[in-house]
Amino acid sequence: QVQLQESGPGLVKPRETLSLTCTVSGASIISRNWWSWVRQPPGMGLEWIGELYHDGRINYRPSLKSRVIVSADKSRNLFFLKLTSVTAADTAIYYCARVASGTWGGIEDWGQGTLVTVST
Amino acid sequence: QSALTQPPSASGSPGQSVTISCTGTSSDVGGYNYVSWFQQHPGKVPKLMIYEVTKRPSGVPDRFSGSKSGNTASLTVSGLQAEDEADYYCASFGGNYWVFGGGTKLAVL
Repeated sequence: QVQLQESGPGLVKPRETLSLTCTVSGASIISRNWWSWVRQPPGMGLEWIGELYHDGRINYRPSLKSRVIVSADKSRNLFFLKLTSVTAADTAIYYCARVASGTWGGIEDWGQGTLVTVST
Repeated sequence: QSALTQPPSASGSPGQSVTISCTGTSSDVGGYNYVSWFQQHPGKVPKLMIYEVTKRPSGVPDRFSGSKSGNTASLTVSGLQAEDEADYYCASFGGNYWVFGGGTKLAVL
């Protein structure tokens, strides 16, 4: 059973960098899956942020592309999200997730989500 | 990349069928057979219900079905049950990114 767990600061100041880690167990991040980040502002809808593949391919939400970096540490089976120059609009529950192998958009496994608030 | 358009709400009585639409453009929904649907109960993690327009993951009841025509995808829930009351989100591939719909709150009356 694949499990994902987000971790990182719950409070980030405006104009600083949001950094989150996703710890993966039950699967290897070098397997043939896309590993994704999705966020959800409080009371609002889901927003796709970005994804990475074991071969190094990375895709980003166009509107966030200048501020976001998704990366991985294969030796520790972790992947990361960095979002720079944050504003209050970046306040959200951040989920890391796995797309089922061989599927397009089959995000079957999700972390529990971590709330990140941008505030002074 | 604009969010896909979903109706804010939908409703039906137990046993009835309800269809939720998801409208995009020829650059996303209309351009690829890669549309997913997610169910989210309040305070819970999203759950995959449909992927690649019509495919159901194992464990998802066959009461849930997906389809697509042109730039609009649809999720149909047949034989509505109380536990189907939730928010539903569509998502589509857009070339090198994914875009979600704004979500539809389904009420089972």
